[in-house]
Amino acid sequence: GAGVSQSPSNKVTEKGKDVELRCDPISGHTALYWYRQSLGQGLEFLIYFQGNSAPDKSGLPSDRFSAERTGGSVSTLTIQRTQQEDSAVYLCASSLTGVGTEAFFGQGTRLTVV
Amino acid sequence: GNSVTQMEGPVTLSEEAFLTINCTYTATGYPSLFWYVQYPGEGLQLLLKATKADDKGSNKGFEATYRKETTSFHLEKGSVQVSDSAVYFCALTDSNTGKLIFGQGTTLQVKP
Repeated sequence: GAGVSQSPSNKVTEKGKDVELRCDPISGHTALYWYRQSLGQGLEFLIYFQGNSAPDKSGLPSDRFSAERTGGSVSTLTIQRTQQEDSAVYLCASSLTGVGTEAFFGQGTRLTVV
Repeated sequence: GNSVTQMEGPVTLSEEAFLTINCTYTATGYPSLFWYVQYPGEGLQLLLKATKADDKGSNKGFEATYRKETTSFHLEKGSVQVSDSAVYFCALTDSNTGKLIFGQGTTLQVKP
């Protein structure tokens, strides 16, 4: 596709359930980022993938959060045993090389935990 | 670690007023610096960038200059319009890893 695609666009889940959020980056982009944006708040860094390097997981808030990137392309962010405080918009972005290059953002997945 | 600090918002201006949104950073090496904008109901998009000291990024009448001596990248516009109302994010990429981190964002509201 022409841009970064995220699915689903909206997800409502019950507390304690697991959820998977998907990101399709722009083809050929080696860098992929996940962020969380709570209502009225800034962008909280979660995880960064760059090529074949080990991902930077320093922003994952707890061990309930994990992410993978298969074949250097599609990425999935998984949240286990969801809590109400996990409710937020989850944004994915990709860039050509990471260093100094523009990041292109998807429209996000709005997660609501009830 | 690297970090970005922006001035607190919201900022409310009248149309045609001068805008400054302050941004300072802490980083090792020589990061690249960015301003991203999020218009109401839209996704984040790049506004401008600068990749080395003294570079000036510009777009849509906005400007920012990479000042290494003051570790700053302040956003300016000479005459704002109602259509500039948005949330503005300052950001940097680490010069070694490309990790992209953001400031907390500044909401700008321009009134006619």
